[in-house]
Amino acid sequence: ETGVTQSPTHLIKTRGQQVTLRCSSQSGHNTVSWYQQALGQGPQFIFQYYREEENGRGNFPPRFSGLQFPNYSSELNVNALELDDSALYLCASSLAKGGPYNEQFFGPGTRLTVL
Amino acid sequence: DQQVKQNSPSLSVQEGRISILNCDYTNSMFDYFLWYKKYPAEGPTFLISISSIKDKNEDGRFTVFLNKSAKHLSLHIVPSQPGDSAVYFCAASLNTNAGKSTFGDGTTLTVKP
Repeated sequence: ETGVTQSPTHLIKTRGQQVTLRCSSQSGHNTVSWYQQALGQGPQFIFQYYREEENGRGNFPPRFSGLQFPNYSSELNVNALELDDSALYLCASSLAKGGPYNEQFFGPGTRLTVL
Repeated sequence: DQQVKQNSPSLSVQEGRISILNCDYTNSMFDYFLWYKKYPAEGPTFLISISSIKDKNEDGRFTVFLNKSAKHLSLHIVPSQPGDSAVYFCAASLNTNAGKSTFGDGTTLTVKP
């Protein structure tokens, strides 16, 4: 069983550009969550997808959007990049969105730098 | 307003001794609490969790204590080993949905041989 993978590992963009980050969940995991981790801080919840539908969103503007696909992959899209978007972006997958099987498995993250 | 706080950015202990990491929260509606360990260049790894209906959960060398009245939880590692050196995050969630967790800023634990 493969773990959670993310691509790319690192990315450099300029302000105003758009970016797409990708995540491949563990097989069978129908729930994926995305987090933003700024330097020196803990991960901050962006949104969660359950069976290809958004299932809750944190305090992030609409220019942060996502998609989840039937093949257990997902995307995080960020439009109109700002300097403060520079962070490590983590995705985490789980078997369920609640209950005893809710353990999250995190990917290694994508380091985004906005210049 | 940070709902989950880890007030100690770092902690250093001697191998074999106890490590105690602390976490405070403000939202009394949180019903599920987790600890994660993170090594450099890796994503967080789930360590141990506790439901709000319990006050203690044990898993090998790791024990988590929950004090709901004080809105405080702690992670005890006994005995500490050099391989435990990592950043530890505490997280809290609603409706047992760990995928929507609110994280603290982490405590860097260093275990000296």
